[in-house]
Amino acid sequence: NAGVTQTPKFRILKIGQSMTLQCAQDMNHNYMYWYRQDPGMGLKLIYYSVGAGITDKGEVPNGYNVSRSTTEDFPLRLELAAPSQTSVYFCASTGTGGTYEQYFGPGTRLTVT
Amino acid sequence: AQSVTQLGSHVSVSEGALVLLRCNYSSSVPPYLFWYVQYPNQGLQLLLKYTTGATLVKGINGFEAEFKKSETSFHLTKPSAHMSDAAEYFCAVTVASSNTGKLIFGQGTTLQVKP
Repeated sequence: NAGVTQTPKFRILKIGQSMTLQCAQDMNHNYMYWYRQDPGMGLKLIYYSVGAGITDKGEVPNGYNVSRSTTEDFPLRLELAAPSQTSVYFCASTGTGGTYEQYFGPGTRLTVT
Repeated sequence: AQSVTQLGSHVSVSEGALVLLRCNYSSSVPPYLFWYVQYPNQGLQLLLKYTTGATLVKGINGFEAEFKKSETSFHLTKPSAHMSDAAEYFCAVTVASSNTGKLIFGQGTTLQVKP
């Protein structure tokens, strides 16, 4: 199993540009999550999904959008990038009926200049 | 609602010394508790977890944690620090009745190990 994969690993965007961060998991997990991590701030939940076709906002959703058309994939869309979106983004997943242990991807480091 | 507080954003120990990273939680129902480790430029990796049963849980790399309900704590310990333990550590909480699986994370503690 590859687990949770994320692409790209690094990206530099100019202000106002858009991009999609890709996330995929091969563990047949229903639940998936997007976090951002800023120095000294821990992890903040951006969006989450409890299954294909179902998404909901987390703690810091402004400036982002998500979709979940399949169980495996959970892309995060940044529209009109702003310097405040410079961060490291992590995708995670977990199964239902268990202990909710989340499995994390390696992260995408995004810089907006 | 749940919350997590990690006491001390930076902890420094000498190689071979005891590691103690503190985590206190708030939850109105029995919690599930986790410790994750993040090495530089990597994702988070599960160290250990408490769900039910034995309150002293052992994890990878010689770490262990004890769930103390009366103190609402889940401190992480390791008897003897190794240079390779230098990383950031996160405590997290959720509840069994969650229908979203969302974890609430603490702010993190950076562990420095001095030779």
